[in-house]
Amino acid sequence: EAGVTQFPSHSVIEKGQTVTLRCDPISGHDNLYWYRRVMGKEIKFLLHFVKESKQDESGMPNNRFLAERTGGTYSTLKVQPAELEDSGVYFCASSQEGGYGTEAFFGQGTRLTVV
Amino acid sequence: GQNIDQPTEMTATEGAIVQINCTYQTSGFNGLFWYQQHAGEAPTFLSYNVLDGLEEKGRFSSFLSRSKGYSYLLLKELQMKDSASYLCAVRDYDNTDKLIFGTGTRLQVFP
Repeated sequence: EAGVTQFPSHSVIEKGQTVTLRCDPISGHDNLYWYRRVMGKEIKFLLHFVKESKQDESGMPNNRFLAERTGGTYSTLKVQPAELEDSGVYFCASSQEGGYGTEAFFGQGTRLTVV
Repeated sequence: GQNIDQPTEMTATEGAIVQINCTYQTSGFNGLFWYQQHAGEAPTFLSYNVLDGLEEKGRFSSFLSRSKGYSYLLLKELQMKDSASYLCAVRDYDNTDKLIFGTGTRLQVFP
């Protein structure tokens, strides 16, 4: 069974440019999460999809970030325009429908560097 | 506020036992997770505790005390491959089951 895959693994862009990150969750997982880790800090929640619906987007930093999950399968996270402070590792995770001990499976992340 | 504390770094010797502590203060609690993360790789699930007590899984065990807001991860018979970051995360169930992470503990195992 394929795990959570993220693309690209690395991205270097200039300030003001646009970048789109993609996440393919484990097949059949309704829950999809985006997290971010900036250097030296903890991994922080960005948002949560249940199928194609945004369940919680309280962690999104500002309106330069747009997440979509059309059709309830893969998800994209667009940053437009990118700023220096957006640099970090963006993780995607997916899980089955909630229940006792339901674990989230993580992708290996996209390392975004804004210069 | 939400706060999860764990030591930044720890070192240990191959074959030894190490305990990584985690204390938390969160508005909600629906379980505590431990993840292992090797550099450049995805965090991988190690353990889950929602009730007080010890959960054992092979060389790894995890303990939870909800009244004290405290957990630890115990690693026995350390191997070199156990060198990694260990992430403590609390699932905060308000209207979503998002994870709140600590900064992680980087463990180095020496021969």
